[in-house]
Amino acid sequence: QSALTQPASVSGSPGQSITISCTGTSSDVGGYNYVSWYQQHPGKAPKLMIYEVSHRPSGVSNRFSGSKSGNTASLTISGLQAEDEADYYCSSYTTSRPYVFGTGTTVTVL
Amino acid sequence: EVQLVESGGGLVQPGGSLRLSCAGSGFTFSGYEMNWVRQAPGKGLEWLSYISTTGRAMYYADSVEGRFTVSRDNAKNSLYLHMNSLRAEDTALYYCGRESFGGNTVDLWGQGTLVTVSS
Repeated sequence: QSALTQPASVSGSPGQSITISCTGTSSDVGGYNYVSWYQQHPGKAPKLMIYEVSHRPSGVSNRFSGSKSGNTASLTISGLQAEDEADYYCSSYTTSRPYVFGTGTTVTVL
Repeated sequence: EVQLVESGGGLVQPGGSLRLSCAGSGFTFSGYEMNWVRQAPGKGLEWLSYISTTGRAMYYADSVEGRFTVSRDNAKNSLYLHMNSLRAEDTALYYCGRESFGGNTVDLWGQGTLVTVSS
């Protein structure tokens, strides 16, 4: 099972919106509504930000939103803040394994 | 406090074995499916293994199938990862993760335990 494809880095200025893509296949992202997004600050454990494509866990800012079209899922961060600077990973259920993670994206706040 | 705490990491020689543990607290451990995920230094997340609530169903990534075995002891609120035939490429921070009730999402992570495979 190959990792889902994410851009290596995305950047934006405070207050702007950015979008991170997560591209898979019909056997994972495109076939199921089980895409999740995780935020990971340096030296910290990942934190769940979005589950089932577009649902936010309690306590996660509504500046984070998720969507999916075909084999590509997206995470949008609106009103970018300095604290959003982190690595972001998508994951998806797959036909062959419970999970596959994305390659990861480093978000930089300029 | 709801938390997961991993332990058991350390330095091991290539070909050696190690057992990682993950202790859950603050929630009904037996009611949740569990996973192991690792992260090599400077690299991304890699899902390794899943185990059902009863321990009867298990799944593994191709990279560890046949070498790693996941198990759990619900009476002790604990999850384990038995690792054999370790290789240099198994060097990583190993996380345990709780699966959400809806499934297919890790909604709670431990802080990780570091495994270094080196001679």
